[in-house]
Amino acid sequence: AQTVTQSQPEMSVQEAETVTLSCTYDTSESDYYLFWYKQPPSRQMILVIRQEAYKQQNATENRFSVNFQKAAKSFSLKISDSQLGDAAMYFCAYRSARSSNTGKLIFGQGTTLQVKP
Amino acid sequence: NAGVTQTPKFQVLKTGQSMTLQCAQDMNHNSMYWYRQDPGMGLRLIYYSASEGTTDKGEVPNGYNVSRLNKREFSLRLESAAPSQTSVYFCASSVWGQGAYEQYFGPGTRLTVT
Repeated sequence: AQTVTQSQPEMSVQEAETVTLSCTYDTSESDYYLFWYKQPPSRQMILVIRQEAYKQQNATENRFSVNFQKAAKSFSLKISDSQLGDAAMYFCAYRSARSSNTGKLIFGQGTTLQVKP
Repeated sequence: NAGVTQTPKFQVLKTGQSMTLQCAQDMNHNSMYWYRQDPGMGLRLIYYSASEGTTDKGEVPNGYNVSRLNKREFSLRLESAAPSQTSVYFCASSVWGQGAYEQYFGPGTRLTVT
C-alpha cells in the first residue's frame, strides 16, 4: 500500500522570502501522479500544483514549483516570494496511474504554513 | 457553475443518532469521493464511486454507508453516530481515467458527535 509522509507539522516564513515544504512517499509503482493542495482557514481545498511521475521536468505554477526526485521518492513544494495569502495548511497527495485505482488520493498529514509580515 | 456542494455545513449529533450528508456536483464528473479530515492525519478516504451505479470502500468505511443516487449526487450516511466520527467531511469529484486529473472538493461539513 502507498503512503505519504509530511514530516513538518508547522513551518513559518517571512513575507517575500522562500520556503520549501517536504513530502516523501512510498510506492512500488512506477507510474503515478503527485499533487499539492492548499487548505486556507476557509477549509476549501485548492489544487496548487501537480506532477506526472513519467515527466522528468519539475512542474511550476507562477510562484509555486516542485522538486520531484523519483528515485528518492521525494516531492517538495517551493513557494517563492511568499505572500500573506499563502498562509494555509498544505497537503501532499499521491494517486496511482493504474486503471483500477479509480482516482483515489492518498494524503499526507499536512503542513501548516505561517507567513509573517 | 456551483462545482461541488455539500449540505449541511455544520451538524451536532448525539451518540446513536443517524444523519445523511448530501453532496452534488455539476461538472459531469464520473467519480465521486467521501473523505474525512482529522487533526494530524490528513484526509482519509471513506467511500468512493468510480461511476454511476458503483460504490466501493476506502480506507476507513466502518460506520458509514453511501448511495450514488445518480451521476450528480453521492450521499454519506451515518446510521448510528459515535464520538469517533467527529470530524470534517469532504466530498470530492473528478474525471475518471488516465491523467493527473484534479479532484474538486466541496466546502466540507463539520460534524460533532456528543
